[in-house]
Amino acid sequence: EAQVTQNPRYLITVTGKKLTVTCSQNMNHEYMSWYRQDPGLGLRQIYYSMNVEVTDKGDVPEGYKVSRKEKRNFPLILESPSPNQTSLYFCASSLTSRTSGGDEQFFGPGTRLTVL
Amino acid sequence: KNQVEQSPQSLIILEGKNCTLQCNYTVSPFSNLRWYKQDTGRGPVSLTIMTFSENTKSNGRYTATLDADTKQSSLHITASQLSDSASYICVVSAGNNRLAFGKGNQVVVIP
Repeated sequence: EAQVTQNPRYLITVTGKKLTVTCSQNMNHEYMSWYRQDPGLGLRQIYYSMNVEVTDKGDVPEGYKVSRKEKRNFPLILESPSPNQTSLYFCASSLTSRTSGGDEQFFGPGTRLTVL
Repeated sequence: KNQVEQSPQSLIILEGKNCTLQCNYTVSPFSNLRWYKQDTGRGPVSLTIMTFSENTKSNGRYTATLDADTKQSSLHITASQLSDSASYICVVSAGNNRLAFGKGNQVVVIP
């Protein structure tokens, strides 16, 4: 089944404890992206990647890191989480970035993160 | 700055009734506009895509319109069902590998 998977789905952690949220897609998509979703603010892009070894900042990259060593994986790293990073996180992928990011994005199920 | 504004923020409708959601954008250059449906606790799923030359597109009971001159789009839901309860998100492609997201229209369908 074609899908985007994220792990973990739920995570409660404490301030300053490094964590990684994994994202994997099995559709051979070039473009991958991370978003956070907060009440009243909608989806905001954190980082995106147009292909392997190519990543770029989105609208809210502060406090986050990403890597794209393989086409299928795009982990989100929080080196020193803080309470303001408590949010619902979505990973997404799309076939190509050649259409200016306009391809349909397939979203993962979400990761609900709480930082105490 | 590229912006996407959606209205109404939320609405409650009776099952079987129709409703229309609005999306106004200031994105330039414009590549395309997508409407996504997001069920509670799940990731968004694409409903329809509108390109510059398209005025209307349907997907079952969902009909999207686009007026590229006024930079407005709408999503019309016909004969609403309980399963239509969701957030509907308007996403505009800005033509530079960037996307502009609206905050969503929260729709609640009641029996």
